[in-house]
Amino acid sequence: DAGVTQSPTHLIKTRGQQVTLRCSPKSGHDTVSWYQQALGQGPQFIFQYYEEEERQRGNFPDRFSGHQFPNYSSELNVNALLLGDSALYLCASRSRDRGNEQFFGPGTRLTVL
Amino acid sequence: DAKTTQPPSMDCAEGRAANLPCNHSTISGNEYVYWYRQIHSQGPQYIIHGLKNNETNEMASLIITEDRKSSTLILPHATLRDTAVYYCIPSGFSSNTGKLIFGQGTTLQVKP
Repeated sequence: DAGVTQSPTHLIKTRGQQVTLRCSPKSGHDTVSWYQQALGQGPQFIFQYYEEEERQRGNFPDRFSGHQFPNYSSELNVNALLLGDSALYLCASRSRDRGNEQFFGPGTRLTVL
Repeated sequence: DAKTTQPPSMDCAEGRAANLPCNHSTISGNEYVYWYRQIHSQGPQYIIHGLKNNETNEMASLIITEDRKSSTLILPHATLRDTAVYYCIPSGFSSNTGKLIFGQGTTLQVKP
C-alpha cells in the first residue's frame, strides 16, 4: 500500500509565476490537508479538503488555492509567487473516522528566485 | 487553539528511555493530545494520541496528568533513528477536525 505521494519533489520558480503541486492520499483516506513549512519552523496549516470542497483554512492569502478530485487526490495552486513562498509544502491525508491521525507525504521543496 | 510549551532540545543516550514533556494548560475538555515527530527532511509522522487515560502503542507511551494540563511522551528504548523534532499538539477528534497546529517542538538528539 503506497502512502501519501507528492509531485514534484523539487521545483524552482521565479517571482510572479504560478505553481501547481499534486498529492495522492493514502488508500482509504478521504481528506487531504496542505501545510507550508519554512526552514527551521514547524508546518503551518494552509487548508483542508474533503468531499471536493475546502472545509477549513489557515491564515493564508487567496493566492493559495486548491482542489480535490473525485478520487480524493488534491492540488495546491499558488499564484503570483513571492520570495517568501519558498518552503517545503506538505500534503497529509486522513480518514475522518480516525480523528486527527494524519499521514504526511515527503513534501515538495519549492524555491522562488 | 490551545497553546503548548515544550523544551527546545533534549539529549538521550541510545537504549535509554526518552521522556519528552509538554505543557498544554489551556487545552479544552474535548481536545485530545496528539504527538507527531519529524525526522530530518521527511514529513511528520503520527506517534500516538490520548484524551485523559495513559496510552501505549508499538512506538511510545503517553502519560497525561489528571488535570490534563501536561503530558509526557515516553520512548522506552531510544535508538539513533529516534533523533527528530517531536511535536505535542492538542486537537479535536470530530470528523471535521483536520487542522494541526505545530509549535516549535522539541529536538531530541539520541547519542551513541
